[in-house]
Amino acid sequence: ETGVTQSPTHLIKTRGQQVTLRCSSQSGHNTVSWYQQALGQGPQFIFQYYREEENGRGNFPPRFSGLQFPNYSSELNVNALELDDSALYLCASSLPGVLDEQFFGPGTRLTVL
Amino acid sequence: GENVEQHPSTLSVQEGDSAVIKCTYSDSASNYFPWYKQELGKGPQLIIDIRSNVGEKKDQRIAVTLNKTAKHFSLHITETQPEDSAVYFCAPILSYIPTFGRGTSLIVHP
Repeated sequence: ETGVTQSPTHLIKTRGQQVTLRCSSQSGHNTVSWYQQALGQGPQFIFQYYREEENGRGNFPPRFSGLQFPNYSSELNVNALELDDSALYLCASSLPGVLDEQFFGPGTRLTVL
Repeated sequence: GENVEQHPSTLSVQEGDSAVIKCTYSDSASNYFPWYKQELGKGPQLIIDIRSNVGEKKDQRIAVTLNKTAKHFSLHITETQPEDSAVYFCAPILSYIPTFGRGTSLIVHP
């Protein structure tokens, strides 16, 4: 069984740029959620994708957007990067359409200069 | 999350001691209460969870207790070992959103 994988592991961008982060879900899971974890804080829910559609969103602006593909992999896109976007971005997969029993990837560390 | 409070923020114990971490939440409709362990450089890992129809669940050295009336649930680790050292998060689902606490850094001294 393959676990959740994310790429890249680290990324450095400058303010105003755009970034795309990628996630492959665990085998058998078709639901993917994205989280932002600032240093020393708990993860904050950005949104969830189920059947290629957004299925729940946290308190994040529209410049945070996502996609899910037919193979259940997912992308997180962030436009107009701000310094406060510097964080660990986590992807989690779960069983169809549910938010419990989530399995997290190792995350992508984004630094915005 | 602002509707989830987790205490203590840091917990230091000797190997073999017990550790207890408490999580208080605001949404009385919540029905899923997980605990995650996050080691340095890794994503959170689910270690135990409980649903609202039971009051306690145990898995070897780890247990979770739930008091729905008081809106809190606790993580209990017995016979702590150095490899238990990590940051622990509660993450109840509030208004359909998984809402993480600020975390408890557990340090187990050999």
